[in-house]
Amino acid sequence: QSALTQPRSVSGSPGQSVTISCTGTSSDVGGYNYVSWYQQHPGKAPKLMIYDVSKRPSGVPDRFSGSKSGNTASLTISGLQAEDEADYYCCSYAGSYTFDVVFGGGTKLTVL
Amino acid sequence: QVQLQESGPGLVKPSETLSLTCTVSGGSISSYYWSWIRQPAGKGLEWIGRIYTSGSTNYNPSLKSRVTMSVDTSKNQFSLKLSSVTAADTAVYYCARAPSSVAGGDYWGQGTLVTVSS
Repeated sequence: QSALTQPRSVSGSPGQSVTISCTGTSSDVGGYNYVSWYQQHPGKAPKLMIYDVSKRPSGVPDRFSGSKSGNTASLTISGLQAEDEADYYCCSYAGSYTFDVVFGGGTKLTVL
Repeated sequence: QVQLQESGPGLVKPSETLSLTCTVSGGSISSYYWSWIRQPAGKGLEWIGRIYTSGSTNYNPSLKSRVTMSVDTSKNQFSLKLSSVTAADTAVYYCARAPSSVAGGDYWGQGTLVTVSS
């Protein structure tokens, strides 16, 4: 399986909105409604921000939202804050009937 | 609150076997999948594989020939063995709880750095 495709970097000013895309195939993103998104600050473990394409775990601000269309999933962060600056990774099941797992290559979000 | 803690040698020699254990606290290990994920310095996340508490496993096809996972429900632990390691296996290794709907895992350990060097 190949890694899901994410932009290497995105940026935005405080208060603005940014969207990070995650493109796969019909064998992963397009084939499962189990896309999740992770936020990782330097030196820290990844933190689950979105699961099941668009659900937020308890404690995650509603500024974070997820969606999916075809083989591409998206994470939108509205009302950008300085603490949102981090790396973001998407994740999906992959393969037919094997339920392997594949991550995206990661996107560095810079808050200007 | 579920907590996970990785443990094991921080230095492994080339061609030897990397062995790590993840201890789960704050909840039962039963009835979940449990995953291992790694991250080389400055790079992205790579899924290594997962194990169910019954012992059923899924491994990353690119690592499958070298990976063995096991679970000890009596100790609330699960383990990873990666054989024939090279410098390319140097990474921070994470363990995570992986419910069916959360492919990458919802609760993660803090990670442990494993360096492969002679």
